[in-house]
Amino acid sequence: SAVISQKPSRDICQRGTSLTIQCQVDSQVTMMFWYRQQPGQSLTLIATANQGSEATYESGFVIDKFPISRPNLTFSTLTVSNMSPEDSSIYLCSVDRGQMNTEAFFGQGTRLTVV
Amino acid sequence: DQQVKQNSPSLSVQEGRISILNCDYTNSMFDYFLWYKKYPAEGPTFLISISSIKDKNEDGRFTVFLNKSAKHLSLHIVPSQPGDSAVYFCAASARTSYGKLTFGQGTILTVHP
Repeated sequence: SAVISQKPSRDICQRGTSLTIQCQVDSQVTMMFWYRQQPGQSLTLIATANQGSEATYESGFVIDKFPISRPNLTFSTLTVSNMSPEDSSIYLCSVDRGQMNTEAFFGQGTRLTVV
Repeated sequence: DQQVKQNSPSLSVQEGRISILNCDYTNSMFDYFLWYKKYPAEGPTFLISISSIKDKNEDGRFTVFLNKSAKHLSLHIVPSQPGDSAVYFCAASARTSYGKLTFGQGTILTVHP
């Protein structure tokens, strides 16, 4: 299994500001994933982050709003830019084992409240 | 377009009895299915998975059944324990993109002592 640490665990932010969420993994992984869970909703994939290349965004998510960095094989950041109350969600990073029978491991999440 | 659906928002079960959580999917490309358990303020924790080449996988108190023709899977927990009370998410992935998961809406399981 992988140990994934996310920072911050929670934050309350003013609208119009930006927040950067950090994700640190205890082992090298090829792909890292960022998810969002809006209140009362399911988890939705935002983007896939590979080291050395631009992140791949899912439909409905754009780089200008959610810029992602992946400087090495154990670390990634997600920035939520120009926040509005609609961005209030739990943001989670995850990694997989890179094997066929994969199971994705998740960080504890960052609970963001935008006021 | 909800490709993975959990139609029961909640389930209440007596301790010691069986809990059955259901999940349906629509995308024929999905060939790997997972169940996660989530407590408040924590990330999802992997429970059990099943590949499309199988129709059953068992791990202790947890068993997952897959019916490919019906595009339906279920998670059985026997016997249920109060500590099992949490939100359960069904998730699916495709061979072309393992690690990218599509989640259902979740089912809140409450196990009463």
